[in-house]
Amino acid sequence: EVQLVESGGGLVQPGGSLRLSCAASGFTLSNYWMSWVRQAPGEGLEWVANIKQDGSEIKYVDSVKGRFTISRDNAKNSLYLQMNSLRAEDTAVYYCARGSAVAGFHFDDWGQGTLVTVSS
Amino acid sequence: QSVLTQPPSASGTPGQRVTISCSGSSSNIGSNPVNWYQQLPGTAPKLLIYSNNQRPSGVPDRFSYSKSGTSASLAISGLQSEDEADYYCAAWDDSLNGVVFGGGTKLTVL
Repeated sequence: EVQLVESGGGLVQPGGSLRLSCAASGFTLSNYWMSWVRQAPGEGLEWVANIKQDGSEIKYVDSVKGRFTISRDNAKNSLYLQMNSLRAEDTAVYYCARGSAVAGFHFDDWGQGTLVTVSS
Repeated sequence: QSVLTQPPSASGTPGQRVTISCSGSSSNIGSNPVNWYQQLPGTAPKLLIYSNNQRPSGVPDRFSYSKSGTSASLAISGLQSEDEADYYCAAWDDSLNGVVFGGGTKLTVL
């Protein structure tokens, strides 16, 4: 059974940093693209970042470019999101998702999410 | 505003057929498959339909999909109370070089 478990969320002040982790199990992480998708309170879904199986290709939504860094450690079955210069508008539940780039791009499994709150 | 446009709400009675529309452009729906996600209250999203009309195992065939040009639709037949959820369309966008979502449609089963 595929399991994705996020951790690292919490309350942080504007301008601060936070590192999210996602522990993957039930599948071979190195065979899949991985992604972060976020959902602000009461709002819809927003894709944040993708990383290819070997880390050789990375993409970000414009609003986080230069502030967020997605990375992975296949040996540790883990995905990460380093978030710097956080803003109030980054407040959201952050989901780790397993991706597939076959015919477009879709997310075929999701974690339960971790809440990031940016507030003074 | 979301890149893909969905109606904010839809409703139907048990047994009815409802459709949810998703409108985009040539850089997303017009040139890439559309995927649909279901988010039950208080839970994480779940893949419902992918690569235009494939369903993951466990998703009933009551859920189907159609696409024409830069628009797509999700159809739910034989509506059930457990279908009450938020539904999101999504697609890869060649111009933005990323995934774009619709704003979501809240489906109410009356």
